[in-house]
Amino acid sequence: GESVGLHLPTLSVQEGDNSIINCAYSNSASDYFIWYKQESGKGPQFIIDIRSNMDKRQGQRVTVLLNKTVKHLSLQIAATQPGDSAVYFCAEKLTGGGNKLTFGTGTQLKVEL
Amino acid sequence: DGGITQSPKYLFRKEGQNVTLSCEQNLNHDAMYWYRQDPGQGLRLIYYSQIVNDFQKGDIAEGYSVSREKKESFPLTVTSAQKNPTAFYLCASSGGPYNSPLHFGNGTRLTVT
Repeated sequence: GESVGLHLPTLSVQEGDNSIINCAYSNSASDYFIWYKQESGKGPQFIIDIRSNMDKRQGQRVTVLLNKTVKHLSLQIAATQPGDSAVYFCAEKLTGGGNKLTFGTGTQLKVEL
Repeated sequence: DGGITQSPKYLFRKEGQNVTLSCEQNLNHDAMYWYRQDPGQGLRLIYYSQIVNDFQKGDIAEGYSVSREKKESFPLTVTSAQKNPTAFYLCASSGGPYNSPLHFGNGTRLTVT
C-alpha cells in the first residue's frame, strides 16, 4: 500500500510470480486514475489508466482494478520480471479539475531472482 | 522521435541564486506541467499551463515562476525565495484537455548549497 513519509513501502516478489500493488485514493470525486512506473533517476512512465465508470482494465501483463466503494485502486502485474523493479505511483484526477493529477507516495517493487 | 526534453540533468547552484530549468516538448501538446519530487515521496504540482500565454499555480508555487511563450517550451525558474530548492524536478505534458495521461521528461536534479 501507500503511506506518507520518507520510507517507501516495499513489495518483494519472486521472478515469475504475480505482483499486486495497492493504492488508497483520497477523494470520492476523482474520476480518472493512472498508474506510473518510475525507475531510478528517470521520469515516471505511463503504465495504464482507468476512468471511474469502469472497475477493471487490462493491458499487456497489467490489470488495474478500481473499487470506488472503498476508494481503492490496485495494479496487478502478471509474471513479474526483473525489469519490473521500480517505484510505482498511483495518481488521481478530480472531476472538473482540468487535467491536474495528485500522486500517491509510491511503492517500491523489488523482483528477486 | 517525440518526447519531452529536460536540461540539464544535474544542476548545482549556490544559495541565493535564481536558476532556470528548461523543458521542451515536440509532442504538440497544449498542456504542460512542473512537478517536484523529494526523496521517498510522491510528486507535487508546482505550476501548470493549459495553453500558450496562460498558466496557473499548483499546490506548491511559492518561490517558483514560469512562462509559456511558446507551445513547446515551459521553463521553470527556482528563485532565491524558495526555502528548500534541492529536489528532483519533473516536467510533463498532456495532449488531451481532459482525462489524458501526462507524459514526463527524465527530470533535472537541482542541488543548492
